[in-house]
Amino acid sequence: QKEVEQNSGPLSVPEGAIASLNCTYSDRGSQSFFWYRQYSGKSPELIMSIYSNGDKEDGRFTAQLNKASQYVSLLIRDSQPSDSATYLCAVKGFSGGSNYKLTFGKGTLLTVNP
Amino acid sequence: EAGVAQSPRYKIIEKRQSVAFWCNPISGHATLYWYQQILGQGPKLLIQFQNNGVVDDSQLPKDRFSAERLKGVDSTLKIQPAKLEDSAVYLCASSLSHLYEQYFGPGTRLTVT
Repeated sequence: QKEVEQNSGPLSVPEGAIASLNCTYSDRGSQSFFWYRQYSGKSPELIMSIYSNGDKEDGRFTAQLNKASQYVSLLIRDSQPSDSATYLCAVKGFSGGSNYKLTFGKGTLLTVNP
Repeated sequence: EAGVAQSPRYKIIEKRQSVAFWCNPISGHATLYWYQQILGQGPKLLIQFQNNGVVDDSQLPKDRFSAERLKGVDSTLKIQPAKLEDSAVYLCASSLSHLYEQYFGPGTRLTVT
């Protein structure tokens, strides 16, 4: 059973601070890694993808991947109240045949306080 | 570019009734996914189509759930008969292929009473 683990939170940070969200995964053969943002009552929205070890930056978001430690993180700089949402970590791994499957964590609820 | 479309957005049914959900993926996306998201959990894959063929339905409760994608575009997911534990949001997603990022539709919130 391939697992993706996240702290459920809530993680509370003040406006302007850095929010750090973490994720670990069990399948060492996982190929690609994604962060989705999900506002309450809405569907998941893809915000970051990362495929190789190291950091990937996109605006205020930085994804970090360490395959040796089976660890993915998302940093949100200058956090805004509009960043308040659940952040889902998703990991794509081989599922048989020639297919790859996305496995999601339970998500971390982030609250940014004005 | 239009996103993934789903209907209905909300549905309330009684247990043992049947229900169907519809999904239209992003144009050109060959891979279509149905997920079930129970409150407080991440989405769980129910079934994955590549064009009109099933690639993965290992977590689909086949005694009550069925899905089809006859022409390789639109898809329907059916539950018959529904149980209380089927109350969840049903999300449809699509991607160019299983190697690419997945994009989600707005979802259908199902309540079984």
